[in-house]
Amino acid sequence: DAKTTQPPSMDCAEGRAANLPCNHSTISGNEYVYWYRQIHSQGPQYIIHGLKNNETNEMASLIITEDRKSSTLILPHATLRDTAVYYCIVRVSMDSSYKLIFGSGTRLLVRP
Amino acid sequence: DTAVSQTPKYLVTQMGNDKSIKCEQNLGHDTMYWYKQDSKKFLKIMFSYNNKELIINETVPNRFSPKSPDKAHLNLHINSLELGDSAVYFCASSQSAISGNTIYFGEGSWLTVV
Repeated sequence: DAKTTQPPSMDCAEGRAANLPCNHSTISGNEYVYWYRQIHSQGPQYIIHGLKNNETNEMASLIITEDRKSSTLILPHATLRDTAVYYCIVRVSMDSSYKLIFGSGTRLLVRP
Repeated sequence: DTAVSQTPKYLVTQMGNDKSIKCEQNLGHDTMYWYKQDSKKFLKIMFSYNNKELIINETVPNRFSPKSPDKAHLNLHINSLELGDSAVYFCASSQSAISGNTIYFGEGSWLTVV
């Protein structure tokens, strides 16, 4: 079962920041938070991940609360091409590997 | 230069048939995965191989048998296909199984069983 909960849908205006929230209240100390997105009919695309500190890359910023029970993905200037389903995922460690457990995601619609 | 490539992209077949989906990655990664996305859009891991060795085997029917001839390839063979097997199957890879590197996904294979 997914360890994350996200709103089913959100929308924002093109050019504005899109802030996508995620709750992961049962996250363990060594479990990372990953964000992926899936544009219609394509494979999931990696966006960003983090453990404790805030992270930023060319696509987005990830803000993780101090207690690590929630996080926010920020797309600073959303474009129409950012319309997709965004998945917040907790990476679960196993004995010899780890796995990403996907939830239902947030469907983001960027309006012109 | 597709990093993770799957074939076929679309497959329509009858119940009871046996079919295979092939996957190749040119990233030099050690670990490969198969994920299944059902009609409700949930993505679930099925298998993971590290250097040709099976390391994750979720509760998947025995009709599904992955095969890794080398670490760049992970094929999925499905016997006696059932209607419920209709889904999108995604192959993926990562640098290793332990260090927590990014997982890169292929474009998916749409399987429809009629």
